[in-house]
Amino acid sequence: DGGITQSPKYLFRKEGQNVTLSCEQNLNHDAMYWYRQDPGQGLRLIYYSQIVNDFQKGDIAEGYSVSREKKESFPLTVTSAQKNPTAFYLCASSISSGTVSYEQYFGPGTRLTVT
Amino acid sequence: GQSLEQPSEVTAVEGAIVQINCTYQTSGFYGLSWYQQHDGGAPTFLSYNGLDGLEETGRFSSFLSRSDSYGYLLLQELQMKDSASYFCAVRDNNDMRFGAGTRLTVKP
Repeated sequence: DGGITQSPKYLFRKEGQNVTLSCEQNLNHDAMYWYRQDPGQGLRLIYYSQIVNDFQKGDIAEGYSVSREKKESFPLTVTSAQKNPTAFYLCASSISSGTVSYEQYFGPGTRLTVT
Repeated sequence: GQSLEQPSEVTAVEGAIVQINCTYQTSGFYGLSWYQQHDGGAPTFLSYNGLDGLEETGRFSSFLSRSDSYGYLLLQELQMKDSASYFCAVRDNNDMRFGAGTRLTVKP
């Protein structure tokens, strides 16, 4: 079955630690995205990548880092510099359209709690 | 500033029709999308309007008026499974901006 997987579903970390969230897709999509969702709010774009070895900052990139070494994978690292890291993190992918695509396919999300 | 406004909550009964409005103010505009998200789940794409007018996909329709910076999602023949949050999203230059979402509750 084609789709996007994110692991783990729930993640707990202590303040001051970096943590990496996994995102893998087998849809053969060129573009991948990371969003953050806080309670009662919409999604906010953190980073996106249109092609391997290239990525762009979204609206709230500060305190986050990404890599895109393989087409299938787009891991997100939440660094200790991120002031409010506790949130629901969603990864998405799409066919590449030269810019952010209007039709994105989302993974099930990772709920990160930092205490 | 940049913003997308949509009602926070809507309640309707099974079989009814409900309209969820979205007004936007963004620096660029390349189209309006709608996504559905059930509690704890992933958003799923519903529809997209790049041009003015109505797009119909089964029980769901979406409308856009670029001159009014306004769009809506129309859900017909509501079913219990339609209870979810609905987000409008604007493709804005090199970003995707989402509204805060409208929580739809369908009652028997």
